[in-house]
Amino acid sequence: QSALTQPPSASGSPGQSVTISCTGTSNDVGGYNYVSWYQQHPGKAPKLMIYEVSQRPSGVPDRFSGSKSGNTASLTVSGLQAEDEADYYCSSYADSNILFGGGTKLTVL
Amino acid sequence: QVQLQESGPGLVKPSQTLSLTCTVSGASISSGSYYWSWIRQPPGKGLEWIGYIYSSGSSNYSPSLRSRVIISVDTSRNQFSLRLSSVTPADTAVYYCASVYTSMVHWGQGALVAVSS
Repeated sequence: QSALTQPPSASGSPGQSVTISCTGTSNDVGGYNYVSWYQQHPGKAPKLMIYEVSQRPSGVPDRFSGSKSGNTASLTVSGLQAEDEADYYCSSYADSNILFGGGTKLTVL
Repeated sequence: QVQLQESGPGLVKPSQTLSLTCTVSGASISSGSYYWSWIRQPPGKGLEWIGYIYSSGSSNYSPSLRSRVIISVDTSRNQFSLRLSSVTPADTAVYYCASVYTSMVHWGQGALVAVSS
């Protein structure tokens, strides 16, 4: 099983919106509604931001939203803030296994 | 709230076995509320899922590591452990433990393990 495909980088100015994609196959992203997104700041552990495609854990700002169409999931960050600058990883359940994307470095300009 | 803490040697010699333990607080491993997982991150690289275990002892591992990995659980100590055999420098990474429901809900702070002679 291959890793999920994410763009290596994304950027936006404060207040703008940015969308990060995560492409898999019908055996993972497209086959299950178990896509999650994690935020990781340098030197820190990842933090769950979105689970089950579009659900936000308690405490995660509603500026973060998730969606899925076919084999591609997306994370949208609206109203970008400086503290959103981080690495973002998608993950999907895949037939008893778990796959991660390669990560996207989000830069707030 | 659920907290996890990794512990174990920070340096392992090539060909030896890497062993780490994750101690869970704020939740009982035996409650069955979560699966318990290990994930690693080589320096400067992305996340890689290693495997998970349920309180019953049933487990599943990444196909790429399956031949070298064992994850076990000790419900009496509320801990679960990782053993990775025949390590090489490519196994140098920060190793995280996490609780899993439909996603990795809670994460430990991570433990850096270097493989070097």
